[in-house]
Amino acid sequence: DAGITQSPRHKVTETGTPVTLRCHQTENHRYMYWYRQDPGHGLRLIHYSYGVKDTDKGEVSDGYSVSRSKTEDFLLTLESATSSQTSVYFCAISDPGGMNTEAFFGQGTRLTVV
Amino acid sequence: QQQVKQSPQSLIVQKGGISIINCAYENTAFDYFPWYQQFPGKGPALLIAIRPDVSEKKEGRFTISFNKSAKQFSLHIMDSQPGDSATYFCAASISGNTPLVFGKGTRLSVIA
Repeated sequence: DAGITQSPRHKVTETGTPVTLRCHQTENHRYMYWYRQDPGHGLRLIHYSYGVKDTDKGEVSDGYSVSRSKTEDFLLTLESATSSQTSVYFCAISDPGGMNTEAFFGQGTRLTVV
Repeated sequence: QQQVKQSPQSLIVQKGGISIINCAYENTAFDYFPWYQQFPGKGPALLIAIRPDVSEKKEGRFTISFNKSAKQFSLHIMDSQPGDSATYFCAASISGNTPLVFGKGTRLSVIA
């Protein structure tokens, strides 16, 4: 398995509270992504990063912010969690400039907002 | 706007049968088409991928067929096994440098 660690793996939080999910990689891949997975919607891109401090929005970025202060860490923050953000969140990494364009996924974080 | 449309949503196949999952895309700039396999509680993992310079790619029991003019591609699983039971996602990107856009997924159940 690619060296991707998501933390926490499970979290229950209350509506209106801030939440930060962490993705840590040991592969030195340039690109990092946050997706959310919901039944009937598949995987939808929230934000991604193409380098330290370089980020861009995805399809469902409203209510989320990200930060990448070093290559190995990509943080996803829900400033004020809502029930609609209950989901499974996946971090992914890739290194398009290398030989392999494959995206590797973490094990996911199951977030429940009550 | 859904850029990659996947069907069917769910599929039940007898052991030994052929599983077929279809995807259609809209953006003609897409040039990288992977399929991902996901088991419950796990993250998706790359199964097989194709680029539009070929019409078919085979890896073991898994084959991607690609029709550039129709903007469609499909996954065929030959001799389907219970261990193939999983959710399958098609995806697309531009030269692998842009984020993957995923279909909504197909839940495959292979029954004995």
